[in-house]
Amino acid sequence: EPEVTQTPSHQVTQMGQEVILRCVPISNHLYFYWYRQILGQKVEFLVSFYNNEISEKSEIFDDQFSVERPDGSNFTLKIRSTKLEDSAMYFCASSDDLGGIGTEAFFGQGTRLTVV
Amino acid sequence: AQSVTQLGSHVSVSEGALVLLRCNYSSSVPPYLFWYVQYPNQGLQLLLKYTSAATLVKGINGFEAEFKKSETSFHLTKPSAHMSDAAEYFCAVRRRDDYKLSFGAGTTVTVRA
Repeated sequence: EPEVTQTPSHQVTQMGQEVILRCVPISNHLYFYWYRQILGQKVEFLVSFYNNEISEKSEIFDDQFSVERPDGSNFTLKIRSTKLEDSAMYFCASSDDLGGIGTEAFFGQGTRLTVV
Repeated sequence: AQSVTQLGSHVSVSEGALVLLRCNYSSSVPPYLFWYVQYPNQGLQLLLKYTSAATLVKGINGFEAEFKKSETSFHLTKPSAHMSDAAEYFCAVRRRDDYKLSFGAGTTVTVRA
């Protein structure tokens, strides 16, 4: 069964460093998303991406964040200068239809980012 | 804006007992509703979804949920818990003209032998 894969599963970084979280969405999907879950809190929407541009972003997704689809298969989330409060589980997701009836997002297993 | 409330952050059940996880939503129009499960060290997996067809929705692993508009609820049930059901469960809502999911806080289920 097709699945979304994320690497690495766990990343530890020093405050102020740049990190890149990687995702390989399901191959025929066209819409890509990042969500995050700070420990003990809800899963929150960060950003959606379609046709090589951001469709929507939340207020969390400030100038420190960027997303890119550098090739036909990868979808990345970059945090330019990490802060302690960026520590969270980051989930990548993809779907094949934007808001269509019954469309479901398929999620990866997550990358746990720890900023020290 | 829509939102989701999951009552109970932790539910403990005996093996073979009923599993009931509560989810209430807030939305101006009936949304699409989802239940996701997260097993330890794994991603979010869709259990079932409501998309305005039948109000009783059957999902994987013996789970089902009933959409009740009058109660703005979408509670998840399983008649007989199995040890493998130990996981965290998330209720999520999405507007019909949107793609963003809004998640509840999650409910951790433990199953006692």
